[in-house]
Amino acid sequence: QVQLQESGPGLVKPSGTLSLTCAVSGGSISSSYWWTWVRQPPGKGLEWIGEVYHIGTTNYNPSLKSRVTISVDKSRNQFSLSLTSVTAADTAVYYCARNSQTIVGVPSDWGQGTRVTVSS
Amino acid sequence: DIQMTQSPSALPASVGDRVTITCRASQSISTYLNWFQQKPGKAPKFLIFGAFNLQSGVPSRFSGSGSGTDFTLTISSLQPEDFATYYCQQSSSIPYTFGQGTKLEI
Repeated sequence: QVQLQESGPGLVKPSGTLSLTCAVSGGSISSSYWWTWVRQPPGKGLEWIGEVYHIGTTNYNPSLKSRVTISVDKSRNQFSLSLTSVTAADTAVYYCARNSQTIVGVPSDWGQGTRVTVSS
Repeated sequence: DIQMTQSPSALPASVGDRVTITCRASQSISTYLNWFQQKPGKAPKFLIFGAFNLQSGVPSRFSGSGSGTDFTLTISSLQPEDFATYYCQQSSSIPYTFGQGTKLEI
């Protein structure tokens, strides 16, 4: 059973860079899966940020594309999210997930989420 | 982007009720429609894919239907553990978008 665990700073200053990692256990990040980031602002719904394939191919939400990078680190069996020029609107719980291997675009296994606040 | 609209936003219900949640897409998505359940403070849980296929382990009281732009999630007999927020998600085209959620309330 794969397990995912997000980690990173819980507080980021405005105009700074949000950097999170998702450690994968119980499975290899090099296997044929897409790996996804989703976020949820306080009291609001879910927003798809983007995804990365194990070979490094990425898809991003156009609303964030100019600021976001998702990458894979095979040596550490983890993947990462970087979001630049953050504002208060980026305050959210950030989830990492592994997509279904057979159903395109569906996060089937999720981490517990990590709360990130953008504030000075 | 494809917009996903759920109704209602909140649904008062009782244990044993049959409830239906509706999700509408702003354009046709065939059956690329998925449902998630989220409880407070927890990550979403994947329930249904392809509009009507139950993920392994999901109780049979959950069912989904629809195609094109209009979809429904039905819970045939509400159990106490079903009180949660439900989200639809389209996986027809990037960016994959979610509905705003429907909160099942006691």
